[in-house]
Amino acid sequence: DADVTQTPRNRITKTGKRIMLECSQTKGHDRMYWYRQDPGLGLRLIYYSFDVKDINKGEISDGYSVSRQAQAKFSLSLESAIPNQTALYFCATSPGQGAYEQYFGPGTRLTVT
Amino acid sequence: GDSVTQMEGPVTLSEEAFLTINCTYTATGYPSLFWYVQYPGEGLQLLLKATKADDKGSNKGFEATYRKETTSFHLEKGSVQVSDSAVYFCALTPIPLNDYKLSFGAGTTVTVRA
Repeated sequence: DADVTQTPRNRITKTGKRIMLECSQTKGHDRMYWYRQDPGLGLRLIYYSFDVKDINKGEISDGYSVSRQAQAKFSLSLESAIPNQTALYFCATSPGQGAYEQYFGPGTRLTVT
Repeated sequence: GDSVTQMEGPVTLSEEAFLTINCTYTATGYPSLFWYVQYPGEGLQLLLKATKADDKGSNKGFEATYRKETTSFHLEKGSVQVSDSAVYFCALTPIPLNDYKLSFGAGTTVTVRA
């Protein structure tokens, strides 16, 4: 089984709809992240969390919110989706505490029409 | 600020050819350096890492050496296969400050032809 899973893998939604992307991990890592990937722009950090009570905005958090329900679960919400939020979204985890590599989920392809 | 510059692609090679993807970085402190690979339709996978100067990371026949004097972390593989076709990303995490950040290069698309 994959260590970092994301649901759904693909989603098409309409402008103005609320949508939630979910991420679960079995790696036991404290740190979790949400990124979006756009052609020509690379990966950009949306939010990151060091533990359940420590959540921080990344470089492009406007229009997004997150919830860290447990050490293993980190959800990303789009309160009112807009077409320029069409992108590939990745969740990642890292151990922290001297180990900084991040491990990525398979991604969610989101299309907002 | 911290940044990564990697050679632009696309790169097209024949099977069994030698692959080099150049990567240079700008960072304060002593960053950890990574190569990630993204196969078509998949997420990013950590390919290898190096955490201090002169460290050599290696995995699946790929190697990269952390060169502090030239601020470089070039990726190499001696004999590529069709299955190595993917997008390769060089990345760094600044240490000790902002150790949550992962700054990526733009990615290099590699296509290996049989």
